[in-house]
Amino acid sequence: DIQMTQSPSLLSASVGDRVTLSCKASQNIYKYLNWYQQKLGEAPKLLIYYTNSLQTGIPSRFSGSGSGTDYTLTISSLQPEDVATYFCQQYNSWWTFGGGTKLELK
Amino acid sequence: QVQLKESGPVLVQASETLSLTCTVSGFSLTNYGVIWVRQSPGKGLEWMGIIWGDGNTDYNSALKSRLSINRDTSKSQVFLKMNSLQTDDTAIYYCTRDQGGPFAYWGQGTLVTVSS
Repeated sequence: DIQMTQSPSLLSASVGDRVTLSCKASQNIYKYLNWYQQKLGEAPKLLIYYTNSLQTGIPSRFSGSGSGTDYTLTISSLQPEDVATYFCQQYNSWWTFGGGTKLELK
Repeated sequence: QVQLKESGPVLVQASETLSLTCTVSGFSLTNYGVIWVRQSPGKGLEWMGIIWGDGNTDYNSALKSRLSINRDTSKSQVFLKMNSLQTDDTAIYYCTRDQGGPFAYWGQGTLVTVSS
């Protein structure tokens, strides 16, 4: 099974900051990588699919990049409504989620 | 619009069987797969199984021996059954729609507590 490791597990940042979240796969997943945002009490929401494709309706301050085993979600200018937990998910071999990065305001 | 909604018991006794229903609208079960995903503090987000548009099923190998997924296309419903529940099966259970890999549509989730 492919394991997904996210870092950091907790990130504190200020409004307007550029924020970078990391996700590492245990083997090459050939860019089959999605990112989700989950707010308290809600289901996960798809932000980015296939590494860098923005889901419809998601603000352009969110972007994704990466290849092989290493992937990144970037928020170009953090907004208060971005406080949430973010999960990566591989779909090269079935589906596996990372453990999440909780993003809070400093 | 596409909607999914989970329903089922809130509390289940250990060693018993969990039965959940996912009722969908806005799409046909014969055109899209429906996946069950659960989320717990101990195991995080975990895909459980999928029933494909053609009716075939695949299961997470960790749950395969305990899990069954089927559907009633006339009622737009997908059913999950998992036996031999233990306390670490306590989780929020979601159904989602497959989009060729990404999960773009999710139900609201239903919290199931397994009591010993």
